[in-house]
Amino acid sequence: NAGVMQNPRHLVRRRGQEARLRCSPMKGHSHVYWYRQLPEEGLKFMVYLQKENIIDESGMPKERFSAEFPKEGPSILRIQQVVRGDSAAYFCASSRSVPSGGNNEQFFGPGTRLTVL
Amino acid sequence: DQQVKQNSPSLSVQEGRISILNCDYTNSMFDYFLWYKKYPAEGPTFLISISSIKDKNEDGRFTVFLNKSAKHLSLHIVPSQPGDSAVYFCAASHLTGNQFYFGTGTSLTVIP
Repeated sequence: NAGVMQNPRHLVRRRGQEARLRCSPMKGHSHVYWYRQLPEEGLKFMVYLQKENIIDESGMPKERFSAEFPKEGPSILRIQQVVRGDSAAYFCASSRSVPSGGNNEQFFGPGTRLTVL
Repeated sequence: DQQVKQNSPSLSVQEGRISILNCDYTNSMFDYFLWYKKYPAEGPTFLISISSIKDKNEDGRFTVFLNKSAKHLSLHIVPSQPGDSAVYFCAASHLTGNQFYFGTGTSLTVIP
């Protein structure tokens, strides 16, 4: 299966710890997006990355959150000093080319469910 | 600021009947719209899309209608099947943007 892979699927952290979420895009895809879904809400855009570059991080909280997509390896969403409000499902998506302009859907991974105790 | 809205959190339909899911948007710059389907504990799966140059796109049992003047789109599923039971998200994007804006989802239940 060459779909978008995310790990871990479930992550439990205590307040103040760090959470690292990984995303491997589909084969041939060089664009990665991270979304967060809070309970009872839709998916909210966080960040859009290409290899080694952050293109748009307008949806990222200004503090404690960071993302990277290195030349080799998966994209990482890192949350430092987690708080209870960070508990959510975090979805990664990938696309072959730019997100807008038609006929270019994003393919989603299964998500990582983060629980902060 | 919710730019894409799905005002019906849930919908129940009898098997074989038509399911109509609605979505409204506020940003007139949006020019590409999509519907995603999501099962519990899985990521959203792309279903169908439509560009703003069209007002209808059909794929098998699924048809998306776009009314630009009303800033409204809808997804029709005919005939509905129990396997269609899932949460449906509509999403929108615009040429100058880098992201999809998602609605809050409508949970569809198709009753056998």
